[in-house]
Amino acid sequence: ETGVTQSPTHLIKTRGQQVTLRCSSQSGHNTVSWYQQALGQGPQFIFQYYREEENGRGNFPPRFSGLQFPNYSSELNVNALELDDSALYLCASSSGRQETQYFGPGTRLLVL
Amino acid sequence: GENVEQHPSTLSVQEGDSAVIKCTYSDSASNYFPWYKQELGKRPQLIIDIRSNVGEKKDQRIAVTLNKTAKHFSLHITETQPEDSAVYFCAAIYNTDKLIFGTGTRLQVFP
Repeated sequence: ETGVTQSPTHLIKTRGQQVTLRCSSQSGHNTVSWYQQALGQGPQFIFQYYREEENGRGNFPPRFSGLQFPNYSSELNVNALELDDSALYLCASSSGRQETQYFGPGTRLLVL
Repeated sequence: GENVEQHPSTLSVQEGDSAVIKCTYSDSASNYFPWYKQELGKRPQLIIDIRSNVGEKKDQRIAVTLNKTAKHFSLHITETQPEDSAVYFCAAIYNTDKLIFGTGTRLQVFP
């Protein structure tokens, strides 16, 4: 198993609500990337944080936002939840922007 | 655009046979190509990766080959075992540091 952890493991929200997901990176890693994985699909890149700055963003609306803390842990915030936001949210940490990424166990979000 | 195509979407083999999964990427600047295995309900796990300065890499029963001219790379699993059954994803890093994943291949190994 990797040293990447995520919380919570499962979450149920209703449409319009806001959610915050958390990720602790592996020791020695300064980069965290976030992905959305819908059922039966591959992970879709949301954004990456490198040394506390956003470094690249996928095709997701501004209601998906995040930050990275000085200890390199990270949060993903989603505002105004929609039904289609129901998915597994994965974070991955790495020792650099184009280095090997190691995934956490994910947070399964259900929006009703 | 930033795209990785992966084939086949499903693959069934008999235990002991070989399995091959192929991926194609679109950005000639891509230089890092990992492969992940994801079992049901679990996180993607890195099984092997390759950088563009080499054409092939092996790790026991798993190998990856890269053809930069044709912009495709392949995963080869030899002597397959039932525990190899999972969904396999290829990925490519684009020059914007985004890791773009393929659509996945569901591999089933029958005893």
